[in-house]
Amino acid sequence: KNQVEQSPQSLIILEGKNCTLQCNYTVSPFSNLRWYKQDTGRGPVSLTIMTFSENTKSNRRYTATLDADTKQSSLHITASQLSDSASYICVVDFSGGYQKVTFGTGTKLQVIP
Amino acid sequence: DVKVTQSSRYLVKRTGEKVFLECVQDMDHENMFWYRQDPGLGLRLIYFSYDVKMKEKGDIPEGYSVSREKKERFSLILESASTNQTSMYLCASSLFFGDSSYNEQFFGPGTRLTVL
Repeated sequence: KNQVEQSPQSLIILEGKNCTLQCNYTVSPFSNLRWYKQDTGRGPVSLTIMTFSENTKSNRRYTATLDADTKQSSLHITASQLSDSASYICVVDFSGGYQKVTFGTGTKLQVIP
Repeated sequence: DVKVTQSSRYLVKRTGEKVFLECVQDMDHENMFWYRQDPGLGLRLIYFSYDVKMKEKGDIPEGYSVSREKKERFSLILESASTNQTSMYLCASSLFFGDSSYNEQFFGPGTRLTVL
């Protein structure tokens, strides 16, 4: 069964610090991997997307990496801000048509002053 | 910008009631999806539609039905609401059907449904 596991489940960091969120997947075959940010009470919004041939992608203070050999991805947040407090969801697309995707359960990040 | 709207942000219904959740997208997207999101379980696909009047079951279709009479509108129907259907419901849309590396799903703000 295709699975996407994220760690940690939750994280608290001080404003201004960096952090890294992890995503391991067993999805096969693999098409692309996205990271979404979901603010409390809102729908997810895409941060980055990477195909299997890409190994890093940046979006402002967010940098996603992908190792397709080990089936691992990480999302690094630099110089965290209070507005980074949200859930971060890893989503893996497998190249099977119908745009079937598998969602991770997310990491809940809280940035405190 | 793509806009996906959902008819209600919060909804409270009683057990046995028929519930309609509406979703509208304004970017002429082919695909539309309904998910539910529960703590610790992530997003789970209920139904999706890749064209008007077409629908496909997702991973957890039991207790739900859908309707897509117009391209921009996708409705989720709970025929007889039960307490275990209390959840956050998210609608999404994407541009076209098929395997595309950049076929991003755009989500609505969600409807938090409570069934008493």
